[in-house]
Amino acid sequence: ETGVTQTPRHLVMGMTNKKSLKCEQHLGHNAMYWYKQSAKKPLELMFVYSLEERVENNSVPSRFSPECPNSSHLFLHLHTLQPEDSALYLCASSQDGELGTEAFFGQGTRLTVV
Amino acid sequence: AQSVTQPDIHITVSEGASLELRCNYSYGATPYLFWYVQSPGQGLQLLLKYFSGDTLVQGIKGFEAEFKRSQSSFNLRKPSVHWSDAAEYFCAVGAKTSYDKVIFGPGTSLSVIP
Repeated sequence: ETGVTQTPRHLVMGMTNKKSLKCEQHLGHNAMYWYKQSAKKPLELMFVYSLEERVENNSVPSRFSPECPNSSHLFLHLHTLQPEDSALYLCASSQDGELGTEAFFGQGTRLTVV
Repeated sequence: AQSVTQPDIHITVSEGASLELRCNYSYGATPYLFWYVQSPGQGLQLLLKYFSGDTLVQGIKGFEAEFKRSQSSFNLRKPSVHWSDAAEYFCAVGAKTSYDKVIFGPGTSLSVIP
């Protein structure tokens, strides 16, 4: 098992669809993150969960809805997306502590909105 | 304001040549610094990190980086580049806990000529 696993790896959805991205970490970390990576743009932090509570929401549109049922799982629920939401969505986890938040990333879900 | 800059958007080097990727940061507190690499279609992998102590840190795949507080820099180096090093490289500034978000630079794309 790799440290952080994301499914699916690729997703094509219409603007009226509802889908979910899944992330699972096997590292015993207490924080999980969703990032959006668009072409020619810096990595954008979307959501942060620490101890299963959301602690950061960077003005992300409500069509993205995160869920963290436990410390090992993180979901991103998608509905009524726009074509500009097409991107690579990366999940990461880390362990809060004195040594800083070294993040471990999954391989990402390549999302295409048509 | 907290920020990370990577002045070089794209760099091309010949296989066997030396490499230096630049990173400058602006951060109010003690910086925790990271370099990540991203191969096409993959997530981000940590190359190395600096928290304290020796300002020259060694990482995986033969990479090293030097922290220079006076210049607010954390440049990545490799003495001899391999074709498999072609990828996107991200410098990041982190914090002690996930409540302080990790800031990523825009990335430098490395191409390697055989």
